[in-house]
Amino acid sequence: QSVLTQPPSVSGAPGQRVTISCTGSSSNIGADYDVHWYQFLPGTAPKRLISGNINRPSGVPDRFSGSKSGTSASLAITGLQAEDEAEYYCQSYDISLSGYVFGTGTKVTVL
Amino acid sequence: QVALRESGPALVRPTETLTLTCTFSGFSLSTSGMCVIWIRQSPGKALEWLARIDWDDDKDYNTSLKTRLSISKDTSKNQVVLTMTNVDPADTGTYYCARVRPFGYEFDFWGLGTLVTVSS
Repeated sequence: QSVLTQPPSVSGAPGQRVTISCTGSSSNIGADYDVHWYQFLPGTAPKRLISGNINRPSGVPDRFSGSKSGTSASLAITGLQAEDEAEYYCQSYDISLSGYVFGTGTKVTVL
Repeated sequence: QVALRESGPALVRPTETLTLTCTFSGFSLSTSGMCVIWIRQSPGKALEWLARIDWDDDKDYNTSLKTRLSISKDTSKNQVVLTMTNVDPADTGTYYCARVRPFGYEFDFWGLGTLVTVSS
């Protein structure tokens, strides 16, 4: 069972904006641990999309953006493209569990 | 550039020991701050971290699996080995190795993953 909660799915038409929430608690996101986001595409290695809540690693398109507030974080995809259809996971660290924690995952569908 | 690749058996029998190898390139596990982690994703379940090994041979395990896991490294071969004892069908899933961003809590490079099925 995951410690971080995400919506199972979100969808949008090409060009639209979608957001994915990641809800944690006072022992992880709320304890000031950073949130990171990954994209899982079948047949490819998972890719880090957002680092440290808001930072895009080199090569990640600027249509991906992250934010964090309190015990939650969000990933936004603006100008949705067909290639963005994938699973997305948030990740943080939990001081009570003394370990890394992941979100439940969100399937993004491009209509 | 950094690359990681997992290898191991595709099928393991219940109660057996699973041994997975992560072979990497583009960095050295003898460099200060470098760490490699194993993560798995079981069908219908979320991602779960398993074990981490650091450049100084420090090791950390998911407390829920700690008694069954062992992680080691061979710096000369650029390999990290994970063993899991007494496997169960619930251990079926895709196993990934990843590099932990130096001195960070995130995973900056991942392998493709290897699918392991536990079945008799």
